[in-house]
Amino acid sequence: AQSVTQLGSHVSVSEGALVLLRCNYSSSVPPYLFWYVQYPNQGLQLLLKYTTGATLVKGINGFEAEFKKSETSFHLTKPSAHMSDAAEYFCAVIYGSSNTGKLIFGQGTTLQVKP
Amino acid sequence: KAGVTQTPRYLIKTRGQQVTLSCSPISGHRSVSWYQQTPGQGLQFLFEYFSETQRNKGNFPGRFSGRQFSNSRSEMNVSTLELGDSALYLCASSLVSMKNTEAFFGQGTRLTVV
Repeated sequence: AQSVTQLGSHVSVSEGALVLLRCNYSSSVPPYLFWYVQYPNQGLQLLLKYTTGATLVKGINGFEAEFKKSETSFHLTKPSAHMSDAAEYFCAVIYGSSNTGKLIFGQGTTLQVKP
Repeated sequence: KAGVTQTPRYLIKTRGQQVTLSCSPISGHRSVSWYQQTPGQGLQFLFEYFSETQRNKGNFPGRFSGRQFSNSRSEMNVSTLELGDSALYLCASSLVSMKNTEAFFGQGTRLTVV
């Protein structure tokens, strides 16, 4: 079954430290890849997405992700964590060539930022 | 411009009842998708509508249904509510498809079934 896996349901970093959230997808055909953030009692906000082209994607709030086809990965990074980054992060994919809005989400990673 | 509006924000229903949730997309957006979010199952796709037609459907029982109106507003209905239907229901809108254009999510409707 097509799926997406996020390694680590909770990640804790110190303020100013590197943030690394891991995401792997399951398909030999590269999907469309997304990272979303969710703050408490809020909807989802798009951080960045990969469709085609450059494999290093820059998003909002200093986040970026690199698409690695050989590793079927799309890990999210930020060089220096800020307290406001504490939230839940979701990796998601869209498989298939048709025009569809069916996102398949990972289980989410809660990011804790310690002062 | 106004974002995606979901109403109501909170809802408490009794088992066996039915419920209707509403989603008003961003003006000009024709695609509306619905997702269910629970602690156990995470975020799961329910269905997607585009220009009043259901374009895609997830793996949910027939008790879950939806529709889209000519002004792109969408409703989803759950009949014969079960305790397991307690969840945050999120709606997302995009111009054509979230695959090609950014999708914007509403704040969700928190449904509690007692």
